[in-house]
Amino acid sequence: GNSVTQMEGPVTLSEEAFLTINCTYTATGYPSLFWYVQYPGEGLQLLLKATKADDKGSNKGFEATYRKETTSFHLEKGSVQVSDSAVYFCAPLERGSRLTFGEGTQLTVNP
Amino acid sequence: NAGVMQNPRHLVRRRGQEARLRCSPMKGHSHVYWYRQLPEEGLKFMVYLQKENIIDESGMPKERFSAEFPKEGPSILRIQQVVRGDSAAYFCASSAGTGVLNTEAFFGQGTRLTVV
Repeated sequence: GNSVTQMEGPVTLSEEAFLTINCTYTATGYPSLFWYVQYPGEGLQLLLKATKADDKGSNKGFEATYRKETTSFHLEKGSVQVSDSAVYFCAPLERGSRLTFGEGTQLTVNP
Repeated sequence: NAGVMQNPRHLVRRRGQEARLRCSPMKGHSHVYWYRQLPEEGLKFMVYLQKENIIDESGMPKERFSAEFPKEGPSILRIQQVVRGDSAAYFCASSAGTGVLNTEAFFGQGTRLTVV
């Protein structure tokens, strides 16, 4: 089955800093790839996705590119805000299967 | 179009009681997934259901846990004889299908179960 290795947290940044959260995965096929975000006390919200190699998902200033050769889907944002403080989950999804989540990376952005 | 609805949001049970968690998927979605999030951990897959069928229950504990998704009504995750270790947030997600274009899963806000 699938597995996911995410950059360990917690990650603490100052406002306007550059963010990278690494994610690598193993899968038997060619999964779709997702990043979800979980704000305190809430469920998961889809942040962005990519469904095939070299696709770039983007949303709210966040980006991630599907790299088949390195089986990676690293999340980046050029300038983080305090409101980006949350837990971020990387998750591959193979067709006909279900999401496999990484352990999550806690991000705290200080003013 | 209402999102995935879970209830209750918070549930307190004494050891040995039963917990029933409900999930109504998004309108038009026939695929339901249950995940458990233990404190300070990521989400772990429990079970994947379609209407009246369990497709994948590889993440369900062998005893005390069961799930259903009847033809009518919400999906139910049932935990019998709860123990303190069952305390967690239980999230439900739904999707329209399993094809590349409709696999996006939408999550509910979760049910936080506390066993005292």
